[in-house]
Amino acid sequence: NAGVTQTPKFRILKIGQSMTLQCTQDMNHNYMYWYRQDPGMGLKLIYYSVGAGITDKGEVPNGYNVSRSTTEDFPLRLELAAPSQTSVYFCASGGGQGYEQFFGPGTRLTVL
Amino acid sequence: AQRVTQPEKLLSVFKGAPVELKCNYSYSGSPELFWYVQYSRQRLQLLLRHISRESIKGFTADLNKGETSFHLKKPFAQEEDSAMYYCALGLIYNQGGKLIFGQGTELSVKP
Repeated sequence: NAGVTQTPKFRILKIGQSMTLQCTQDMNHNYMYWYRQDPGMGLKLIYYSVGAGITDKGEVPNGYNVSRSTTEDFPLRLELAAPSQTSVYFCASGGGQGYEQFFGPGTRLTVL
Repeated sequence: AQRVTQPEKLLSVFKGAPVELKCNYSYSGSPELFWYVQYSRQRLQLLLRHISRESIKGFTADLNKGETSFHLKKPFAQEEDSAMYYCALGLIYNQGGKLIFGQGTELSVKP
């Protein structure tokens, strides 16, 4: 059981570039989440999904997009990278009503 | 508005001393509260949840609705308790199980 996996671990982007952060879970959880964590701050919810084909915005969705075509995968897309998107990104999944969330190892993204 | 506040960025104690990490929340509904912990080079993981009323690794947390607090306590700190601790408010019902996190408190336990 790998749990929640995220790729890549690190990435440096130039302003205006695009990229997709991958997230996969093997626990058959319906609920999945994307958070960002800025230095000295808590985690902020970007997007979440309560099942395949269903996604919704969190606190800070601007500049991001998501899709959920399968239960396992929940990729996060940055279309036009901006320095304000420099952060550590965490994916999480949860069972039931998202009761306990299981986190991935994070992706450290720098936009220059 | 839903909000979680952890007033201390850093808490430094000596081994064997009592520890209290503070957490206050703002929420008009019935709160579901959690403590998550991140040890060095490890993933963020659940430490405990208020509905379980359990003690994990010697830590306990009591929900005080009158004071809107959920402070995390341990009577005798150990060096292995050094980590980042996050208090989180769960929006469970009809809100996709979202979590609102506090800013986090770094606990440093010195020998």
